[in-house]
Amino acid sequence: EAGVAQSPRYKIIEKRQSVAFWCNPISGHATLYWYQQILGQGPKLLIQFQNNGVVDDSQLPKDRFSAERLKGVDSTLKIQPAKLEDSAVYLCASSLLISGPEAFFGQGTRLTVV
Amino acid sequence: AQTVTQSQPEMSVQEAETVTLSCTYDTSESDYYLFWYKQPPSRQMILVIRQEAYKQQNATENRFSVNFQKAAKSFSLKISDSQLGDAAMYFCAYRSARSGNTPLVFGKGTRLSVIA
Repeated sequence: EAGVAQSPRYKIIEKRQSVAFWCNPISGHATLYWYQQILGQGPKLLIQFQNNGVVDDSQLPKDRFSAERLKGVDSTLKIQPAKLEDSAVYLCASSLLISGPEAFFGQGTRLTVV
Repeated sequence: AQTVTQSQPEMSVQEAETVTLSCTYDTSESDYYLFWYKQPPSRQMILVIRQEAYKQQNATENRFSVNFQKAAKSFSLKISDSQLGDAAMYFCAYRSARSGNTPLVFGKGTRLSVIA
C-alpha cells in the first residue's frame, strides 16, 4: 500500500511570494489533514477535510492560507503572501476511521521564507 | 480543548539500556486514543504505539511499551534494549473518540539521543 505522498520536499521563497504544497493521501482515506510544524514544536492542525468538505479550519490563517481538496482525493495548500514566520515543515496526513484511529503521515515539505 | 504536555525536551540513553519518556494530557472526555509517534530526521511521522482509553491493559509493541494511568492522565513510553535507530523526536498525541474523524493533538516532543 502506497503511503501519503507530498511534494515538494523542500522550498525556499522570499517573503511576500506565494507557494503551494501538494498531498496525495493513502488510497481510500476519506480524511485528510494539513499540519504546520515549527522548529522545536509539535505539529499544529491547520485544516481537516472529510472527503472534499472542510471539517475544521479554525486554526488556518485565512488571510494568507488556503487549501482545497477537489474530488475528495489529493489536496493543495497555498500560502500567499508568505511571511518569515511561515517557515516550518508542512505535514499532510490521512486516515480512515474504520481501519483504525491512527493517522498516516507524509514526509512533509520544509518551507524556508527568507 | 485537549492539551498534551511532554516535560522532557531532551533525553539520552546508552545503547541496550531502557529509557522512559513522559507524557501527560488534559481532557474532560472519557473515551479517547493516545499515541506515540517517532519522527526521525527524514521528518516522516511513524506510529510507534497506540492505546485505547477504554482498555486497562497497557499496549506493547516489541521493545516499546506504555504505562497508561487514566486517572492521572499520564501516558509514558518505555523503550527497552535501546538501539541507535531509536534516536529521533518522539511525540505524544491525543485523539478524541467522539463521532467523526477528529484530529490528533500533539505535545512538543522529546528528542531522544542514543549513545553507543
